[in-house]
Amino acid sequence: DVKVTQSSRYLVKRTGEKVFLECVQDMDHENMFWYRQDPGLGLRLIYFSYDVKMKEKGDIPEGYSVSREKKERFSLILESASTNQTSMYLCASSLPRKTGGNTGELFFGEGSRLTVL
Amino acid sequence: QQPVQSPQAVILREGEDAVINCSSSKALYSVHWYRQKHGEAPVFLMILLKGGEQKGHDKISASFNEKKQQSSLYLTASQLSYSGTYFCGTPTSGSARQLTFGSGTQLTVLP
Repeated sequence: DVKVTQSSRYLVKRTGEKVFLECVQDMDHENMFWYRQDPGLGLRLIYFSYDVKMKEKGDIPEGYSVSREKKERFSLILESASTNQTSMYLCASSLPRKTGGNTGELFFGEGSRLTVL
Repeated sequence: QQPVQSPQAVILREGEDAVINCSSSKALYSVHWYRQKHGEAPVFLMILLKGGEQKGHDKISASFNEKKQQSSLYLTASQLSYSGTYFCGTPTSGSARQLTFGSGTQLTVLP
């Protein structure tokens, strides 16, 4: 069964702390994504990666960075957490979409709920 | 730019039908639909690739009108298990590597 695992379901951090959110997938997917989910705003893309050591900014990258040293692992880093980064963070992975083949379906992890005090 | 979903929320009784709409201000080449049950990860329902294409998943079907830049999700004879938040996602760029999601439609099915 395909699996995307996020290391922490719940985190509480203080303003100014450095925060690492880890995500591991076991499907050998090229693409990995970090989304942020807030009520009324849906899922907003923070960063994504289509290959090891490659990264691209999504819609809301400010205040975040990412790291992808291995194909299966994609980390989201908050260099100095702020209260407005309190949110649910969702990691996802996918294969590239191909005509007549793979749909590019996203497989999501269960999320990491971060509270910044 | 985020696609616009409507309605934001809908409550219905078991056995009733519902329609969720997703529209975009830019040209659409494909539309993904996902469902997220409370406390769970979003799960892929279907992708629509061509204008006018319709797909089905159990009693959930969808249509895609490329010209109108919109897609609709149809839930027929709703079951309790259909409750959740439904998201549509559209490619951010031509490469379709990344999706931009709508704000979601919260569907509640009551017994």
